[in-house]
Amino acid sequence: NAGVTQTPKFRILKIGQSMTLQCTQDMNHNYMYWYRQDPGMGLKLIYYSVGAGITDKGEVPNGYNVSRSTTEDFPLRLELAAPSQTSVYFCASDRRLFTDTQYFGPGTRLTVL
Amino acid sequence: AQKITQTQPGMFVQEKEAVTLDCTYDTSDPSYGLFWYKQPSSGEMIFLIYQGSYDQQNATEGRYSLNFQKARKSANLVISASQLGDSAMYFCAMREGGGGSQGNLIFGKGTKLSVKP
Repeated sequence: NAGVTQTPKFRILKIGQSMTLQCTQDMNHNYMYWYRQDPGMGLKLIYYSVGAGITDKGEVPNGYNVSRSTTEDFPLRLELAAPSQTSVYFCASDRRLFTDTQYFGPGTRLTVL
Repeated sequence: AQKITQTQPGMFVQEKEAVTLDCTYDTSDPSYGLFWYKQPSSGEMIFLIYQGSYDQQNATEGRYSLNFQKARKSANLVISASQLGDSAMYFCAMREGGGGSQGNLIFGKGTKLSVKP
C-alpha cells in the first residue's frame, strides 16, 4: 500500500550542482504532478504529466526539467541549483477528475547553499 | 487574480471548541471541486474533505464539515470539538472540470491553526 513515494527525504546541494528528485506511484494513475512549497506558503505547480511521454509546464517551471517514460515514475531534475530553489518538493498523482483528490508523496526538503 | 483566497493567516482556538477556517474561490466553470488539506508540522499533505459544485448537501467527514455557500463562492471548513492534534496548516484547494490546465489543483496560501489546551 505504498501510494506515492519520493526519494530522497532531505538533500543539501551546493550552488550549481544538479540532482534528480525521484517520484513513483503504484496506483496506476495517468496524471502526475510536481509542486514546490516555500516556507509559510501554499503549493505551486512546477510541471505535470498527463501520461507517459507527455508533460506540461505549471506555474513555476523555470530551472526544472521533467520526463515521464513510464506510468509509475515522474522524476524532477534540477540542472544548476540556485538558492531560490530551496524549498519542499511534493510529488502527487491522481485521475484528474474534479471529484477526486490528489495523492501526495511525503515530500523532499531541499536546501541549496 | 487569486482563484482561492484564505484570509486568515493564523488562528487560535481553545481545545474542545469549534473553529471555522475561511475559504473563498473564483471560477466561471460550473463543474468544480473544492478540497481541504491538513499539513501538520511533520510536513505531509493529508486530505480532509471534498465538496463538489453539484452537491446539494454540505460535506461532512467525522469532526470536519464544509459550509458550502455556492452563491457567495465560499467553502469554509468547520472543525468541531478541536483537539491538540488539529494544530496544523490548513489549505483550501479547487479543481475545475474543464480540460487542459484547468484540471490542475489550485491552492490557497493556507491558515495556521493553533489549538490551545
